[in-house]
Formats: sequence, structure tokens, C-alpha cells
Amino acid sequence: RKEVEQDPGPFNVPEGATVAFNCTYSNSASQSFFWYRQDCRKEPKLLMSVYSSGNEDGRFTAQLNRASQYISLLIRDSKLSDSATYLCVVDSGTYKYIFGTGTRLKVLA
Amino acid sequence: ETGVTQSPTHLIKTRGQQVTLRCSSQSGHNTVSWYQQALGQGPQFIFQYYREEENGRGNFPPRFSGLQFPNYSSELNVNALELDDSALYLCASSYRQGNEQFFGPGTRLTVL
Repeated sequence: RKEVEQDPGPFNVPEGATVAFNCTYSNSASQSFFWYRQDCRKEPKLLMSVYSSGNEDGRFTAQLNRASQYISLLIRDSKLSDSATYLCVVDSGTYKYIFGTGTRLKVLA
Repeated sequence: ETGVTQSPTHLIKTRGQQVTLRCSSQSGHNTVSWYQQALGQGPQFIFQYYREEENGRGNFPPRFSGLQFPNYSSELNVNALELDDSALYLCASSYRQGNEQFFGPGTRLTVL
């Protein structure tokens, strides 16, 4: 089993739609969780950290479920500019960050 | 506040050669991590430096080595380059271990 798993997609959604991604992790000792966004041929950019209590930033909401060992990202009212690859990141418990392979999102006009 | 910078942006080498990539961390950040990202994959953790010491390493052979300097900038060295080393190499810095990481624009390495 991979340490961090994501559905690679692509998720093709119309503008204005709500879309959700999940990311599962295998190490129950993990303490830090993040979502990054990566545009084609660019570096990953931090979207948000994921806290135990959840985290919301505008149209974006991240949740952590420790019992089932997954994190989620919800995007409401999708915009064309949201089209990108979304990477989940989990620490291994030893300051080593593990990235998922990413989920591709394409928002259609 | 200056972000993470990397040099060079692109590099072409041949098999067997050696390469050094450079990274300047964001102001105030003392932790630097290096990642390799192949096309269509997520970044793979190579190693992390904290206060000039390597304190975490991924599944990369010893020909991948690094340094961190007193000003927290860092180098990644790769010896005996192989074709599979062709990738985007990303450097990320953070205020301390366990915090959010901020990435530089990367160095795209092509090995022929």
C-alpha cells in the first residue's frame, strides 16, 4: 500500500460546481497535513494546512479524519482558474514529507 | 520578503556526469528539503537539512548528496548521472521542521 494515495483523475467539472478530493495515508503517526496546488510545469504552491478541527479558506475547505486516515479538500463554486493538479502532503512522523501523485482538476466553461 | 530561489532553471548533462543544484531559502527559514519530480508524478522526498545537518532522507542512493550553509542556503549534488535522473528538482524551505513548506521554481534537469 502506498504511503499516500490520491485518485489521479482527471475530474472534469463545470464552472460553479462543487468538487471534492480525498487522500488516504497509511502512517497513523502522521501529524502534519497539507494541500498544495500545482499548475503545469510550475512549482507546488501551498493551498492550505489541514488541522484536526478542519480548515476553511473562502471556497476551499479541508478536513482531516484520523480514524479512517484520510484528508479531504472541498472546492465550492469552481472557477476556470481552479484548473490544476492538487497534491496532498503528509508527514511520515519523522519530518519527511510524502506527496501523493496528485489529482487533476479541469473546470469547464 | 524574498521567496525561495533556485539555480539554474534548466540544465542538460550526459550520463556519468556530476551536477550541483543550488537553493536559497526564504528569509527566516532554517529548514530546506529537496524533492525530485518526474513527469506525471508527485514530488519525491530526497532529503532535508536543518541547521546544516541532514536529518531525514528518502529512498535515494548515496550519489545524491547535499549541503546546507550557515545562511541556510543549500546545494544538491548528484554524481554519476543516469537517464532516470531527468526530472524537475524542487527545493522547499520552512520556518522549522513540521511547518508548511514553500517551494522554489525548480531546476529542470535533462540527462542525455
